[in-house]
Amino acid sequence: DIQLTQSPSFLSASVGDRVTITCRASQGISSYLAWYQQKPGKAPKLLIYAASTLQSGVPSRFSGSGSGTEFTLTISSLQPEDFATYYCQQLNSYPFTFGGGTKVEIK
Amino acid sequence: QVQLQESGPGLVKPSQTLSLTCTVSGGSISSGGYYWSWIRQHPGKGLEWIGYIYYSGSTYYNPSLKSRVTISVDTSKNQFSLKLSSVTAADTAVYYCARSVPGGIFGTLISFDPWGQGTLVTVSS
Repeated sequence: DIQLTQSPSFLSASVGDRVTITCRASQGISSYLAWYQQKPGKAPKLLIYAASTLQSGVPSRFSGSGSGTEFTLTISSLQPEDFATYYCQQLNSYPFTFGGGTKVEIK
Repeated sequence: QVQLQESGPGLVKPSQTLSLTCTVSGGSISSGGYYWSWIRQHPGKGLEWIGYIYYSGSTYYNPSLKSRVTISVDTSKNQFSLKLSSVTAADTAVYYCARSVPGGIFGTLISFDPWGQGTLVTVSS
């Protein structure tokens, strides 16, 4: 199985901060990577697919980049509604796997 | 817009079979083009993909659960279902269904969207 390692696992930030989350794959996955946001008690919500394509309706402050084994999710200016846990997912190889998550909390 | 809703017992006894159904509204499973997945999340933990089914009935299961999992589809009811046999406390989790979206070369899946709200299944006697 392809392992996805997210860093950091926990992040404390303030409203307006620029935030970057990294996802590293144990082997190359081309650009078959998606990012999700999950709030407590809710289902994950798709933010970005194909590593860098913003899902319709998702604010443009979210962006993704990378290919191969290293990917990043960036929030350009953190908003109050962005405090949540973020997961990456690879869809290059079966079984599809998720990263361990990055919890973004208010500083 | 497509919406998914999980349903099924919230409590299952050890060694029994967990059975959940996902009802799809706003779109037809039989129209094809999408795969339909089950994912679970252990309390306070990360996400684990269980497997998917296509409207034709073709499936793929995560090898870690393959011996205990069956996913089926009922296009007449616009539903797909999950059965997980011989459950233990380790199967206690929130179970989600989701639409798996193709978009890559040769129809490779590229995302899961949308997701159902999830349902907590507890395995306990």
